Amino acid sequence: NAGVTQTPKFRILKIGQSMTLQCTQDMNHNYMYWYRQDPGMGLKLIYYSVGAGITDKGEVPNGYNVSRSTTEDFPLRLELAAPSQTSVYFCASSYKAANTEAFFGQGTRLTVV
Amino acid sequence: GNSVTQMEGPVTLSEEAFLTINCTYTATGYPSLFWYVQYPGEGLQLLLKATKADDKGSNKGFEATYRKETTSFHLEKGSVQVSDSAVYFCALKGLNSGGSNYKLTFGKGTLLTVNP
Repeated sequence: NAGVTQTPKFRILKIGQSMTLQCTQDMNHNYMYWYRQDPGMGLKLIYYSVGAGITDKGEVPNGYNVSRSTTEDFPLRLELAAPSQTSVYFCASSYKAANTEAFFGQGTRLTVV
Repeated sequence: GNSVTQMEGPVTLSEEAFLTINCTYTATGYPSLFWYVQYPGEGLQLLLKATKADDKGSNKGFEATYRKETTSFHLEKGSVQVSDSAVYFCALKGLNSGGSNYKLTFGKGTLLTVNP
């Protein structure tokens, strides 16, 4: 059982480049999330989605875009990469119900130089 | 809005010592509470959860009790091992400000190092 799969695991970008971080889950979860984790810091919510076609901003959405065309996939797009976007990015998914936990991917370590 | 405040680290203990990591929360309604663990270089894994007041979550010797009167969910373990060295996150899942959807909110994490 795959769970939440993120690709790539590592990436180095130059300032101004763009890229898409992929996230897919095979648990038929309604909710999906993107977080970033800066060194020594907690998780900050970038965007989340409560179902296909529905997305909403989290705490730190600037510089990112998302889409949710299917239940399984929730890609995160970085346009015009900046050094401030150097971080580890985690995708997660869960059922809607309040008492259900989120499952996390292994993370994507992104460096912008 | 919802928020989670947890004990700042780092915490360094000797093997077999008692562990407490404090966590308090602010939320609308009746959230579910979680502890996640992150081992070096990995994603977060659920450690335990409690979904209503006075519930006790437990796993791998760790315990936490949902205390609605003190809005707390402190993590405890009676005897830590070197293999428990990791970052621990307290989290809640509760209704967003619009009351329509659930949001998952994390504390800042506490780094635990256990020395032999």
